Amino acid sequence: QSALTQPRSVSGSPGQSVTISCTGTSSDVGAYDYVSWYQHHPGKAPKLLIYDVTERPSGVPGRFSGSKSGNTASLTVSGLQAEDEADYYCCAYAGVYSILFGGGTKLTVL
Amino acid sequence: QVQLVQSGPEVKKPGASVRLSCKASGYPFTNFHIHWVRQSPGQGLEWVGIINPSGGSTTYAQRFQDRVTMTTDTSATTVYLDLSSLRSDDTAVYYCARVTRTTQIYYLGYWGQGTLVTVSS
Repeated sequence: QSALTQPRSVSGSPGQSVTISCTGTSSDVGAYDYVSWYQHHPGKAPKLLIYDVTERPSGVPGRFSGSKSGNTASLTVSGLQAEDEADYYCCAYAGVYSILFGGGTKLTVL
Repeated sequence: QVQLVQSGPEVKKPGASVRLSCKASGYPFTNFHIHWVRQSPGQGLEWVGIINPSGGSTTYAQRFQDRVTMTTDTSATTVYLDLSSLRSDDTAVYYCARVTRTTQIYYLGYWGQGTLVTVSS
């Protein structure tokens, strides 16, 4: 199984919105609504941002939103803040208790 | 509160094996699956496998199938990851992570602090 495809990097200015795409196949992203997103600051443990494509765990700001169309999922970060600068990973259920991560996207706040 | 405390850093030679531990506390240990995920230097997150502490059933990523074993010690509320035939590209930070809910085994809501494994001759 190959990693899900994400852009290597995206950037935006404070207050702007950015969208990170995550492309898989009909066997993973397209097959199930079990897509999640993680925020990872270097040196820290990853943090769950989005699950079930669109849901946010308690404590995650509403600036983070998720969506999916076909084999591509997306994470949108609105009202960019300096602390949003991090690596972002999508993750999808790939069947038989297995999950698959994307290659990761580095978000830079200009 | 949920806590996952991992064992300390390891330095191994190529061909050797390593055992990592992940001690869980703050919740009913056997009720929640645990995943292992790794991150090699400069690389992204990579799923290694999952274990159900209730019964010990496992699923491993295909690329690790023949080299990885995950086990649990329920009396010690600890999960173990054994990786054999180590290669230099196994150098990575290894994380254990607990699923968010018993019915949501695909989502990793609680993470350990990570264990650095360095494979070098």
